[in-house]
Amino acid sequence: DAEITQSPRHKITETGRQVTLACHQTWNHNNMFWYRQDLGHGLRLIHYSYGVQDTNKGEVSDGYSVSRSNTEDLPLTLESAASSQTSVYFCASSDGRMNTEAFFGQGTRLTVV
Amino acid sequence: AQSVSQHNHHVILSEAASLELGCNYSYGGTVNLFWYVQYPGQHLQLLLKYFSGDPLVKGIKGFEAEFIKSKFSFNLRKPSVQWSDTAEYFCAVNAYAGNNRKLIWGLGTSLAVNP
Repeated sequence: DAEITQSPRHKITETGRQVTLACHQTWNHNNMFWYRQDLGHGLRLIHYSYGVQDTNKGEVSDGYSVSRSNTEDLPLTLESAASSQTSVYFCASSDGRMNTEAFFGQGTRLTVV
Repeated sequence: AQSVSQHNHHVILSEAASLELGCNYSYGGTVNLFWYVQYPGQHLQLLLKYFSGDPLVKGIKGFEAEFIKSKFSFNLRKPSVQWSDTAEYFCAVNAYAGNNRKLIWGLGTSLAVNP
């Protein structure tokens, strides 16, 4: 079965370190998204991609970057981790057509100490 | 700007009570509408969706939602909730913005069902 997987599931890192969260989907979807989920803020879009070599900033993109070198992967990099980036991160994908839903990964709980 | 508003942030019900969660969106064009559910400690899963046709859509686990275009609403309902329905519920709208499609999310409603 097709799926979308995130790794690691849990990570603790120190302030200032660079961290990369992986997202891999086997749906062959064009669209991929990174969200962070924080209490009281719901889901906030960090970055998204509509295809290979395409990346776009979401509403909370500062301090984060993504690259899309193939269809399957959209890694999220925290350039210099800050305590404010402690959160649960979700990756999602959709096939890009209007009448389709997004599928979510299991999430990565990141703690910056 | 496009937005999705969920009116209830926290809802507490007893088992067998009826549920209605409100969702309103602001966008004048063609939309797809979704309700997702997130059980404690898990990822988001699709509960139901509206693309076109019958505005009353049925989803999994006895949930349904009604799209009322004139009210820009897509409220979620369940006649009789169970303890296992305790979860976070998110309304989302997939709207065209030029040539792009964006999923716009509500802030979520936390539902606690007491046994």
